[in-house]
Amino acid sequence: DAKTTQPPSMDCAEGRAANLPCNHSTISGNEYVYWYRQIHSQGPQYIIHGLKNNETNEMASLIITEDRKSSTLILPHATLRDTAVYYCIVRASYSGGGADGLTFGKGTHLIIQP
Amino acid sequence: GAVVSQHPSRVICKSGTSVKIECRSLDFQATTMFWYRQFPKQSLMLMATSNEGSKATYEQGVEKDKFLINHASLTLSTLTVTSAHPEDSSFYICSASGYSQRTPLPNEQFFGPGTRLTVL
Repeated sequence: DAKTTQPPSMDCAEGRAANLPCNHSTISGNEYVYWYRQIHSQGPQYIIHGLKNNETNEMASLIITEDRKSSTLILPHATLRDTAVYYCIVRASYSGGGADGLTFGKGTHLIIQP
Repeated sequence: GAVVSQHPSRVICKSGTSVKIECRSLDFQATTMFWYRQFPKQSLMLMATSNEGSKATYEQGVEKDKFLINHASLTLSTLTVTSAHPEDSSFYICSASGYSQRTPLPNEQFFGPGTRLTVL
């Protein structure tokens, strides 16, 4: 799996958009960009993933640059409950099991300020 | 959506005893389950991967005789920490991927809530 680089921490005001960057310059053609988050003392939670097109779901938007070497996770209206460590992971796609385990980096600790 | 549960949520035990942690997929068939551990202020580290009905594959540095993994059914995997010592105190998290009603689940892994183990 390609390596990712994220800032160790970020602050964001409640109600504003939180933009979390991720660099993955060694990503290969069949690798997706996945985002998970981990709220303190809980298991990770899947947020979103994408290959090359921008993606949006009820939780967030994912913007992937045209060269796929970086991406940005956007939480459009951050709330205090969005305070968590956000992990950007690059990996090939699997479905129905048989996948490899995930390699978690250090992630970005996002702190939402009231 | 796909839900994974773990039991117990936290356990405190004496040094030298064995502890079993259960991981269940509640509404899907988990053909593959993963076990991770997380030490304080660190990221999750993969310990092992298990496919239903097969022996688990352990990551380098993880003792298979100390961390026994059983994945005998499509909805249950167990991790037994044998002869636990204080250095085994950690947050243990399982995840699963598989099928729901013969349809492959999307390719993200579904994580349990974690089990905090404290060995005195």
